[in-house]
Amino acid sequence: EVQIFESGGGSVQPGGSLRLSCAASGFNFNSYSMSWVRQTAGKGLDWVASIDTSGDIKYYGRSVRGRFFVSRDNSKDILYFEMNHLGVEDTAIYFCDLGRYWGQGIPVSVSA
Amino acid sequence: DVVMTQSPLALSVTPGQSASISCESSAGLVHTDGDTYLNWIQQRPGQAPRRLISKVSNRDSGVPDRFSGSGSGTDFRLDIHGVQTEDVGVYYCMQGVHWPYSFGQGTRLEIK
Repeated sequence: EVQIFESGGGSVQPGGSLRLSCAASGFNFNSYSMSWVRQTAGKGLDWVASIDTSGDIKYYGRSVRGRFFVSRDNSKDILYFEMNHLGVEDTAIYFCDLGRYWGQGIPVSVSA
Repeated sequence: DVVMTQSPLALSVTPGQSASISCESSAGLVHTDGDTYLNWIQQRPGQAPRRLISKVSNRDSGVPDRFSGSGSGTDFRLDIHGVQTEDVGVYYCMQGVHWPYSFGQGTRLEIK
């Protein structure tokens, strides 16, 4: 059975930081490239970042490049997302897309 | 950036009828490895996204066979043969070839 456990979201002031985690079990984690996708209230899906199977190749959307960093630990089957210099425009539900499976979503709220 | 354009943006279908959603990309989606990375994603109301189809036409395990994907180059389609009430939600196409990856606007499927 596939299980995904997400953590790290919450409320933060502008300029703050958060680290999201997405831990998985029940499938071959290291076989999949993975992504972080976000969704603001009532809107569509917005791709944010991706990482290849080894963790060596990473890509970021323009709006987060230089502030957000994706990484993975294939020995622990965990996908990470370090988010720095957060702005109100980063407020969204963040989904980990584990290639074949998606997490339930992690709420991130940035406000003064 | 590659723009994904879906049509229609909303559908209202009687249970048992068929539905089709089109997705046009602004650039070809054939990767250098020869595969075409076009996925279809379903998001039911209040739920996380779920991948239905990968690489144009490969249905994920557990996805009912009434869902089928087709297309090539820049034009793709998701067909639902015999819509069920549980199919209500928003459907997205997503390209995974050109950075930044991108989603279509989403097509909202309602059941009459």
